[in-house]
Amino acid sequence: DGGITQSPKYLFRKEGQNVTLSCEQNLNHDAMYWYRQDPGQGLRLIYYSQIVNDFQKGDIAEGYSVSREKKESFPLTVTSAQKNPTAFYLCASIDRGTDTQYFGPGTRLTVL
Amino acid sequence: AQSVAQPEDQVNVAEGNPLTVKCTYSVSGNPYLFWYVQYPNRGLQFLLKYITGDNLVKGSYGFEAEFNKSQTSFHLKKPSALVSDSALYFCAVRDMSGGGFKTIFGAGTRLFVKA
Repeated sequence: DGGITQSPKYLFRKEGQNVTLSCEQNLNHDAMYWYRQDPGQGLRLIYYSQIVNDFQKGDIAEGYSVSREKKESFPLTVTSAQKNPTAFYLCASIDRGTDTQYFGPGTRLTVL
Repeated sequence: AQSVAQPEDQVNVAEGNPLTVKCTYSVSGNPYLFWYVQYPNRGLQFLLKYITGDNLVKGSYGFEAEFNKSQTSFHLKKPSALVSDSALYFCAVRDMSGGGFKTIFGAGTRLFVKA
């Protein structure tokens, strides 16, 4: 899983609560990503950040928010506005020199 | 628009037999193509990539992929499958518009290798 850590591994949330998923990388990569994985649907891009203090919405950004205050960190907040948040969430970064994307181990979020 | 298709949800193969996992793509311009593998409850691991050069790309764990421009395909292959190869495989293409910061993934193909 490269030099990307995600925490927690499992997260349970009650409906109406906001939760924040942590993503940290020590690979010195500028670009970082959040994906959502649902069975049979592959990976869908939530948000990405090309550089510190900058981020863009991906294909399914509604109900999510991010920040990029440090190069190493790209936390994702799942808000109560996300109607179906139960999924496996993957953080990633890209080595622009080799065009290789590295992934964290993922966080499985379950809404009770 | 860039897209990736993996036509098989599942591939079954006997250990020791060759395996192929299919991928076709649609891009504007030259494609940047990738294969990743995912084991249960884990992140994706990079296997190999094609950007330019030889159409046959060799990657990790004995996997290789063949880029075919006329058929817009990038099939993943291995001469002799192992039970430990059983996993979920994703084909992906880098969207080079807007600086190439986005990657588009196929839906994934689950490979089962039977002993």
